[in-house]
Amino acid sequence: GENVEQHPSTLSVQEGDSAVIKCTYSDSASNYFPWYKQELGKRPQLIIDIRSNVGEKKDQRIAVTLNKTAKHFSLHITETQPEDSAVYFCAAQLGRESTFGDGTTLTVKP
Amino acid sequence: EAGVTQSPTHLIKTRGQQVTLRCSPISGHTSVYWYQQALGLGLQFLLWYDEGEERNRGNFPPRFSGRQFPNYSSELNVNALELEDSALYLCASSLLGYEQFFGPGTRLTVL
Repeated sequence: GENVEQHPSTLSVQEGDSAVIKCTYSDSASNYFPWYKQELGKRPQLIIDIRSNVGEKKDQRIAVTLNKTAKHFSLHITETQPEDSAVYFCAAQLGRESTFGDGTTLTVKP
Repeated sequence: EAGVTQSPTHLIKTRGQQVTLRCSPISGHTSVYWYQQALGLGLQFLLWYDEGEERNRGNFPPRFSGRQFPNYSSELNVNALELEDSALYLCASSLLGYEQFFGPGTRLTVL
C-alpha cells in the first residue's frame, strides 16, 4: 500500500514569513495529492489539491508543487498570518483511497 | 447543501462496552471513510464503504466494524472498548474519490 511521510512535524514562523511543508509518497501510481487544514477543535478541510498531470498549482497565498520523479510534493504558504496557525495534512491518493501524512503543526507568531 | 453530519458529538463509555457511531454523507456522495484521530496525532484510516460494500479496512482489530446503508449513511461499531480507543472519530464522504468532506467528528472517551 501507499506510505506518506510528512515533514516537519512542527513549524514555527514569524507573521509575514513563508512556510514550507514537504511530503513524500511511495507508490508512483498515486495520482491525486490534497492538502487539508485542521484548525483546533475543527474538522479537516481541503485547502488545495493537485493532480499528477500538473506540476504546480497556486491559490492566492498558498501553492503546491509536485515532483513525480522524486515522488514528493510540497505546500508553500507565503505572507503567513496568525489565522494560518493549524495542523496541515498532506495525502496521496491511489485509486479512491487517500493515505494521510502524520500532520504538521504550524504556528504563526504575531 | 448540508455537509457531512455525525452523531453523537461526544460519548463516554467504560472499558468492555460497545459503541455505535453514525455518519450521514453529503447528498449524492456514495463513499464514506472512517478515521481515528487520537489526541494530537494524525488521521488513521479505519474503513472505507462505497455503494453499500466495505471496500477496504485499515490496520485495526476486527472489533472495529461498520456498515453502509442503502441511503449511503454509515455506522461504525466498536466492541469491547479499550482505553486506547479514546479518540476523535471522523467520517468523510466523497464523490468519485477525490476531495473528502469531513464531518465534525465524535469524541469518544473510554474510562
